[in-house]
Amino acid sequence: SQKIEQNSEALNIQEGKTATLTCNYTNYSPAYLQWYRQDPGRGPVFLLLIRENEKEKRKERLKVTFDTTLKQSLFHITASQPADSATYLCALAGGTSYGKLTFGQGTILTVHP
Amino acid sequence: NAGVTQTPKFRVLKTGQSMTLLCAQDMNHEYMYWYRQDPGMGLRLIHYSVGEGTTAKGEVPDGYNVSRLKKQNFLLGLESAAPSQTSVYFCATQRTDTQYFGPGTRLTVL
Repeated sequence: SQKIEQNSEALNIQEGKTATLTCNYTNYSPAYLQWYRQDPGRGPVFLLLIRENEKEKRKERLKVTFDTTLKQSLFHITASQPADSATYLCALAGGTSYGKLTFGQGTILTVHP
Repeated sequence: NAGVTQTPKFRVLKTGQSMTLLCAQDMNHEYMYWYRQDPGMGLRLIHYSVGEGTTAKGEVPDGYNVSRLKKQNFLLGLESAAPSQTSVYFCATQRTDTQYFGPGTRLTVL
């Protein structure tokens, strides 16, 4: 069966360091992969999308990589700040199921001052 | 623009009671989704709609029904609530490849 795993339930880092979150998947051929941010008591907010034919995407302090051979995506936040503390979700969409996303369980990131 | 709104924000039901959750959007998006979020499980798709008058089942549709009579509204119904339906429910719309989520409804079934 299709499976998505974000292999750290929680990640704690010091302010200014780079946070790296991992998303692995099995039995899946995604057309694209997305990362969302979710704050407590709120809905997820879209951050970045990377397609199957792309290796890397950047947006300000955020960087996403996508390795379809390893079936893995890495999400990096450089120069992390306490305001980056949140739950980060990865989500995959299959090519024939337009828009239907399958989400990982999320990683809780805490950035300590 | 309000974006995606959900009503109510909180609700407590007794087993066997029914209720309807309302999702409203002012972005004129065709695609709408209902998810539930449980601890350690991530978001799971309940039902979705690709346009006014259409609905389809997602990953966990049992015990839920939906309707999309108007483009801007997507309703999620629980006919006979069960404790297993205690969860946080999120509605989302979609434009191109990006989904826009509402603030959620926290439902407790006793």
